[in-house]
Order: sequence, then C-alpha cells, then structure tokens
Amino acid sequence: EDKVVQSPLSLVVHEGDTVTLNCSYEVTNFRSLLWYKQEKKAPTFLFMLTSSGIEKKSGRLSSILDKKELFSILNITATQTGDSAIYLCAVRNNNDMRFGAGTRLTVKP
Amino acid sequence: DAGITQSPRYKITETGRQVTLMCHQTWSHSYMFWYRQDLGHGLRLIYYSAAADITDKGEVPDGYVVSRSKTENFPLTLESATRSQTSVYFCATQQGTDTQYFGPGTRLTVL
Repeated sequence: EDKVVQSPLSLVVHEGDTVTLNCSYEVTNFRSLLWYKQEKKAPTFLFMLTSSGIEKKSGRLSSILDKKELFSILNITATQTGDSAIYLCAVRNNNDMRFGAGTRLTVKP
Repeated sequence: DAGITQSPRYKITETGRQVTLMCHQTWSHSYMFWYRQDLGHGLRLIYYSAAADITDKGEVPDGYVVSRSKTENFPLTLESATRSQTSVYFCATQQGTDTQYFGPGTRLTVL
C-alpha cells in the first residue's frame, strides 16, 4: 500500500534555529514530491521535486529529493515565528496524490 | 481573480441529511480534487476528476458522490451525512504541472 511518512510529527524550536523536516515514501509509479505549508487555512505550495539531488531553494527554505532512498527533506534556516505552521509532504503517482500526516513546527520568540 | 472558491465555508447539519459542498474555479484547470483533513490522518483524497464528466475514486470515497458536468464546478455530496464525516473539506485544482492549488476549505460538522 502506498504511504507517505513524515517526521517528526511535532517540533518546537526558537527563532534563529535551523530545522530539518523529513518525508519518506513508498509509492508506485512515483512522479513527484511536493511540500506545502499550512497555517490556519488551506495549504500553500512550497516546492515540487522530481529529480534526485537537485536542491530547490526559496529564501530560507530549501528542499532536496533522494529517489534511491525514497525520501525528501525540507530545511528552514534562521527560523522566524512566522514559520510556525504544519508542513505537509505529498507524493504524486499518475493521477493520485498521497499526503503525509504533516509536521507541526512551532517557532518560539 | 477568485481562482478557486468553496461554499459554504462553514456548515452544521444533522445525521442522515444530504449535504452538498461546492467548489468553483476560474482557471479552467483540467484536474479537480476533493480532500478531507482530520487530526491524525492528514489530508486524504476522496474523489478526483481529470476533466468534465470524468471522475474517479480516491482513498476514502465511501459515503460521498461527485459530479463534474462543467469544467469549473466540482460539487461533493454527502448523500446521508454521518458523524464520521465531520471534517474540513478542501477542494483543489491542477493544470499542466504537479502543483495543486487549494481552496479555502469548508468546515463541516455533523451532529
């Protein structure tokens, strides 16, 4: 059965810390892996990864995919309180998309 | 440019009643999706549609019905609501890439 597992489920850090969020998957016919940020509303798109070893970067956020080991990481450097959110990982295979349970990140001042 | 909208945003209903959640997009994206989000389960796909008049089941379709007579609309119907269907429902669209864009969500409570 296809599955997407995120870890940790919850994380509390202080402003300025660097965090790494993990997403591992077992999915048939993998097409892409996506990261979303969800605050108190709908998820918003962060990154889409299709190739191994190519880092995607946006400001303080970056992500990379390892298709051999079947995982991805999302890094956030110099965290700010506005980074507090649930971070969702999702994997696409053909027409379906499977989400992980999410990592709840809390950044304290 | 509204993009993707959902209505109602909040709904309280009773067990056994029929409820329809609306999803409308202004982009003409081919794909549309319905998800439910519950604590401990994350986002789960209920149904999706690749184009008008083409729909398919997702991970948790039981108790739900969808239709897509027009590209821009993708209503989700709970034919006889149950308490286990209390959830937040998200509609999403997709066109040409693997990025999905989500609507604002509908919070449904079944008493």
